[in-house]
Amino acid sequence: DSGVTQTPKHLITATGQRVTLRCSPRSGDLSVYWYQQSLDQGLQFLIQYYNGEERAKGNILERFSAQQFPDLHSELNLSSLELGDSALYFCASSVQTGTSDEQFFGPGTRLTVL
Amino acid sequence: AQSVTQLGSHVSVSEGALVLLRCNYSSSVPPYLFWYVQYPNQGLQLLLKYTTGATLVKGINGFEAEFKKSETSFHLTKPSAHMSDAAEYFCAVRAASGGSYIPTFGRGTSLIVHP
Repeated sequence: DSGVTQTPKHLITATGQRVTLRCSPRSGDLSVYWYQQSLDQGLQFLIQYYNGEERAKGNILERFSAQQFPDLHSELNLSSLELGDSALYFCASSVQTGTSDEQFFGPGTRLTVL
Repeated sequence: AQSVTQLGSHVSVSEGALVLLRCNYSSSVPPYLFWYVQYPNQGLQLLLKYTTGATLVKGINGFEAEFKKSETSFHLTKPSAHMSDAAEYFCAVRAASGGSYIPTFGRGTSLIVHP
């Protein structure tokens, strides 16, 4: 158990819908990262927040957005869903944001768009 | 810019045999290198990492990896495979300094262990 929790574990929805994925980092970790894992793209970095502020952006679509709240939990919002958005979405956390910081991954949310 | 290439999407070994998972990286700055393992229906777990110092790095579960700068490689090995080693393995690179500290992951190698 990494100490990172993600809800829900599974999510099935239809095209055009909007969903929210939730992540609670390890106690004391200030940095949260979101990744998308799919068969064709592998593990892709989406976005990072540090202590409530956006710190780095990766291959995140404009239909996707995220935020980190004062209690440090984070939410990833996916809107206007397409079939291709079906994937595993992982959250990871680290103490700060330095290069040597280890990232601890949550168990993931499996999103299926029908 | 940085990238990772994992040779072989699947590697199959017999229980007790040597495990060798290959990883080559490209980085414009000195790298930090990582190996992660992902068991079915779980998140990624850090196996080992190279930052500075000794180039032979030992990790959990008997795995080790050697950083070879001249070959831009960071191959993962284990002398004797166990059935419980069957999982997906990811190599990752990130900048040591002066570049993006967000890791870039390889596509993963699925390790299959036969009894």
